[in-house]
Parts: sequence; C-alpha cells; structure tokens
Amino acid sequence: ILNVEQSPQSLHVQEGDSTNFTCSFPSSNFYALHWYRWETAKSPEALFVMTLNGDEKKKGRISATLNTKEGYSYLYIKGSQPEDSATYLCAESGGGADGLTFGKGTHLIIQP
Amino acid sequence: DAGVIQSPRHEVTEMGQEVTLRCKPISGHNSLFWYRQTMMRGLELLIYFNNNVPIDDSGMPEDRFSAKMPNASFSTLKIQPSEPRDSAVYFCASSRSGASYNEQFFGPGTRLTVL
Repeated sequence: ILNVEQSPQSLHVQEGDSTNFTCSFPSSNFYALHWYRWETAKSPEALFVMTLNGDEKKKGRISATLNTKEGYSYLYIKGSQPEDSATYLCAESGGGADGLTFGKGTHLIIQP
Repeated sequence: DAGVIQSPRHEVTEMGQEVTLRCKPISGHNSLFWYRQTMMRGLELLIYFNNNVPIDDSGMPEDRFSAKMPNASFSTLKIQPSEPRDSAVYFCASSRSGASYNEQFFGPGTRLTVL
C-alpha cells in the first residue's frame, strides 16, 4: 500500500446501530496514525492519535484500533446517533514535524 | 484559547488575479501546515514550516504557489496568477512540534473560487 486508503467511501447507518470502517496505510516507516472527524462547514477535529501496534483508544461511543504490522486501523461507533454524521478521516504522520498524509475519508450518514 | 485563525473565509476572484490567504497559528505552536481540499484528491499537504522555516514544499503544485512565515504568529499562502483549477478549500493547521505525536489543529479553512 503506497497511500492511505479508507473504506467504504460512504456509509448509511440506521440510528442505534453500530458500525465500523477501515483505514489502510503503508506499514513501512510508520510513526503515527490519526483519526479526525470532519463535519460540513467546520474544520477537521482530532479524535485519536495512535502509535503502537495493538493500541486501542476510546472516546465515548467511538473507539479505534491499530495494527501496524499489517497496516490498518478500524474506527468503531457504537449505538450511532444523528450527531455522528460526518466524514471520518484517517492520516499517517512521519516523525518530527512532518505533515499528515490523509485518506479520502468515510462519509457517514446516520438515518433517524 | 483561540484556535487557528484563517482569513478570508471565502474568496472569489477572477483568473489571473493574485490571491493571498492568511493564517495565524495557535500561540505556542511552532509547526504550521498548509493543506488543500478538493473533491478529486481529498486533503493534500502543500507545505509545512517548523520554527518559521519551510521544511517540505514538495506538495506545492506549481511555481504560481508560494508560502511565507515571517514570524511565529503569521503565515501567508499566495497564488499568482490564479487559475480556475486552484478552486478549493485551503486549510491551515498548527501543532506543537514533538508533542502529542504531532496532533494538528485545523483552522476553519478558506474557500477559494477562481472564475
């Protein structure tokens, strides 16, 4: 994998259901994996930063896991709510002050 | 604390005109990043600065694009001359180098339309 890739591109989920989506990234020279939540007309907001293989982070109903050996991360949302509707971006960063390489995001729509 | 501040929020200009986008990073942050968001390519890094020094400008698409950071609290991204394909949302982000695994904080973006 040469780029950061996310799937699916978009996702419709019924309110109350749980869901998850995937981020794949180059596993060589890995430093950190970032998840951002991006609502329309707002700026991307950081959710998690993970660096170690096997890392798991949780914030409320949202959690993420990291597998650096195979180069993927999952984002989980439990009991989806309409306010979870957003685009979820993942990005890989190099060491030091390197910029982020973003995937194209998963656009999540929660249907009441 | 104020977040990253960008101006203008919206810019509409005609092809060939010069465009200047401005960014004020979060106080105390010493890394600053310029990104461009398009439907086709998503969020792309254009250039970043560390302690006001440009570190990597390999993402700058053409010589028509230039960026400066004259001091720790101000940066500009200039497009001269602008073209319709430059239409995009331009984000500025800042981070405290070496902290929180480089968590970056984004500004609200400047939506640029070149007619």
